Amino acid sequence: NAGVTQTPKFQVLKTGQSMTLQCAQDMNHNSMYWYRQDPGMGLRLIYYSASEGTTDKGEVPNGYNVSRLNKREFSLRLESAAPSQTSVYFCASRAGTGGYNSPLHFGNGTRLTVT
Amino acid sequence: GENVEQHPSTLSVQEGDSAVIKCTYSDSASNYFPWYKQELGKRPQLIIDIRSNVGEKKDQRIAVTLNKTAKHFSLHITETQPEDSAVYFCAASSPGDTGRRALTFGSGTRLQVQP
Repeated sequence: NAGVTQTPKFQVLKTGQSMTLQCAQDMNHNSMYWYRQDPGMGLRLIYYSASEGTTDKGEVPNGYNVSRLNKREFSLRLESAAPSQTSVYFCASRAGTGGYNSPLHFGNGTRLTVT
Repeated sequence: GENVEQHPSTLSVQEGDSAVIKCTYSDSASNYFPWYKQELGKRPQLIIDIRSNVGEKKDQRIAVTLNKTAKHFSLHITETQPEDSAVYFCAASSPGDTGRRALTFGSGTRLQVQP
């Protein structure tokens, strides 16, 4: 039982390049999330998916797109990377939908640097 | 939307002392309050959570208290040990209009336990 798996662990991009961060969970969770973590700012929600086939914007969605490929996989795409997107990205999942009643399980993170 | 404030941003204690971290939230409808511990370079991991129908919860050396009237909740760590050194995040969640809201995190507290 791997939990939440993210790839890659590290990535360096040049400004304007694109890339996709991959996330998969094997806990049969309905909801999946992408957060970014910047020093002194905690975790901020980029996008989330309450169930397969649905996605919604979070607090900081600009510059990102997501795809909920199936129940297990939720990817985050940067179409044209900018230095402001340098951050650590965490994927997370939780059981259930609707009102919040279960904890988030996080992946190990992707450290992205945009030069 | 929900706003969570966390204090202090850094906390240094001697081994064996107690540590207290406080958070306030803005949305009176919030009903779930987890605490996460994040060691350097690792993912956030849930250490304890509390729901709004409970005023206090304890798990060994860790306890969380909730004051719904004042809209604040606190993490208490007793008999601190060097391995408690980490960044701690509080979070809050409310069902919201669609019931799909994710967690809103505080900005984190860096706890250092001095041997």
